[in-house]
Amino acid sequence: NAGVTQTPKFRILKIGQSMTLQCAQDMNHNYMYWYRQDPGMGLKLIYYSVGAGITDKGEVPNGYNVSRSTTEDFPLRLELAAPSQTSVYFCASTTFSGTGVDFGSGTQLSVL
Amino acid sequence: SQKIEQNSEALNIQEGKTATLTCNYTNYSPAYLQWYRQDPGRGPVFLLLIRENEKEKRKERLKVTFDTTLKQSLFHITASQPADSATYLCALTPSDSSYKLIFGSGTRLLVRP
Repeated sequence: NAGVTQTPKFRILKIGQSMTLQCAQDMNHNYMYWYRQDPGMGLKLIYYSVGAGITDKGEVPNGYNVSRSTTEDFPLRLELAAPSQTSVYFCASTTFSGTGVDFGSGTQLSVL
Repeated sequence: SQKIEQNSEALNIQEGKTATLTCNYTNYSPAYLQWYRQDPGRGPVFLLLIRENEKEKRKERLKVTFDTTLKQSLFHITASQPADSATYLCALTPSDSSYKLIFGSGTRLLVRP
């Protein structure tokens, strides 16, 4: 199993541009999450999904959108990028609530 | 407001000693509490999970305790080694929102040889 795969690893955006961060898992996990981590800080939950077609907002959803058309994929869309969205983004997945979560290696995003 | 708090100051200990990290929470009723390790430039790695009806969980040199009265979890690493140096994050799943996993800000552990 490849686990949780995130692409790209690094990206620089200009203010106002849009992009999609890709996340895929090959473990048939139902639950998937997107987090952002600012320097020296913990992880903030952006969006989560409990299965294909079901998504919900986390702690900091503003400026982001998600979709979950398949069990495997959970892309995160940034519309009109702002400097405040400069961060490291982690995607994660798990089988069900009450089990440990597997994380991807992260996408480092800079908005200039 | 709801908070998960971990010591922001790094914990600096001598090799061989026991490291104890603290996670306090406010205005949550956790169904589960988890601990993760994060190395620089990497994603967090799951270590241990403890349920609301459990007092203690062990795995090799790691031990987690959970006190719902104090609203606190303690994470212990016995016989610490320099390789244990990392940031340790606690995370909880609220019992009223069992799909979420909310993280604290983490505590950095430095183990001196």
